[in-house]
Amino acid sequence: EVQLVESGGGLVKPGGSLRLSCAASGFTFSPYSMNWVRQAPGKGLEWVSYISSSSRYIIYADSVKGRFTISRDNAKNLLYLQMSSLRAEDTAVYYCVRVVPAADYMDVWGKGTTVTVSS
Amino acid sequence: DIQMTQSPSSVSASVGDRVTITCRASQNISNWLAWYQQKPGKAPKLLIYAASSLQSGVPSSFSGSGSGTDFTLAISSLQPEDFATYYCQQANSFPPTFGQGTKVEIK
Repeated sequence: EVQLVESGGGLVKPGGSLRLSCAASGFTFSPYSMNWVRQAPGKGLEWVSYISSSSRYIIYADSVKGRFTISRDNAKNLLYLQMSSLRAEDTAVYYCVRVVPAADYMDVWGKGTTVTVSS
Repeated sequence: DIQMTQSPSSVSASVGDRVTITCRASQNISNWLAWYQQKPGKAPKLLIYAASSLQSGVPSSFSGSGSGTDFTLAISSLQPEDFATYYCQQANSFPPTFGQGTKVEIK
């Protein structure tokens, strides 16, 4: 079964840091580009960051640029999102998402991990 | 960034009804459009890509149309499991952007 499983969410104080992980299984991870997408409570979907299959291309939303770092370990089938200088507005469910090759559609989503930034 | 605007924001319908949702892009995106379904507490699910191609496993009661700036998602005969929130997403250029969502509720 094709699966993405996120972990690492939790409660963190403003200004703090957190690292999210996403474990891929059921498919060959290395050829696929990956996204992180988030959803604030009661709100819509917001794309956060993209990483190409080889990590050559990395892109961030303006809202997280300079604070978040995306990375991957193809040998371990893992995707990461290092988040620092967290703000209340970063509170959201964070989804790990597989990108359809040669397009930017998102065909496999994890169940999400919740990040809450609050004092 | 390309802005995606969905209408309506919510729609009340009955089982068996035909429902249509519209998505408008702020600039020409050709057919680089996807539709997702999200149920409460669950992750989004890809329904349609390239504006009108049905993702594997998605019922044929779902269809998509449009190109350029105006797109439509249609559900031909609403089933109980179709009550959810639907999002469009443009894949024409970075950053990928989503519409604000359309909630399909039970009348």
